[in-house]
Amino acid sequence: ETGVTQSPTHLIKTRGQQVTLRCSSQSGHNTVSWYQQALGQGPQFIFQYYREEENGRGNFPPRFSGLQFPNYSSELNVNALLLGDSALYLCASSPGTVISGYTFGSGTRLTVV
Amino acid sequence: AQSVTQPDIHITVSEGASLELRCNYSYGATPYLFWYVQSPGQGLQLLLKYFSGDTLVQGIKGFEAEFKRSQSSFNLRKPSVHWSDAAEYFCAVEDTGGFKTIFGAGTRLFVKA
Repeated sequence: ETGVTQSPTHLIKTRGQQVTLRCSSQSGHNTVSWYQQALGQGPQFIFQYYREEENGRGNFPPRFSGLQFPNYSSELNVNALLLGDSALYLCASSPGTVISGYTFGSGTRLTVV
Repeated sequence: AQSVTQPDIHITVSEGASLELRCNYSYGATPYLFWYVQSPGQGLQLLLKYFSGDTLVQGIKGFEAEFKRSQSSFNLRKPSVHWSDAAEYFCAVEDTGGFKTIFGAGTRLFVKA
């Protein structure tokens, strides 16, 4: 098993810019979820992709968007960055069902200045 | 709406002492419950999960948790803490929609020699 890998590990962007974060899911996992973790808080659900379709979405504005590719890897795109978007962005994969529990990547630390 | 409360922001225990981390949930039906651990700068690792059946579940690294429906609790325990257990611990519940997991705010565990 290769686990979940995320890139880049750290990123600094300027307010108003756009950013793309990438995630490779664990082998055999066809579901990818993205979470935002602000400093000192628990992860907050952004959205989930299952077989290339968005399967559910949390309370995040449309400027947060995503994609899942045929190999089940995924991207998170954030447009018009705000200072409040600074956080650790976590990608988690699962074998098609949440009740199995997630395998998380180590995250991308995004800093917006 | 489902929610998870971890009443303790941080806990300090001596190495070798026992540990109990508290978790209370709000959920309308039989919940799917999880405990995750996060080391500094890392993603989350699944410690254990409860779906049904025996209310005492065993996990990795010597952790266990007990589901108590009457108290809406799912407390995490370990009989003897090691210095390497110092980390942030998150309790989580699966949302009724089945596509997302809701996390508590976390409890930071400090281990003193």
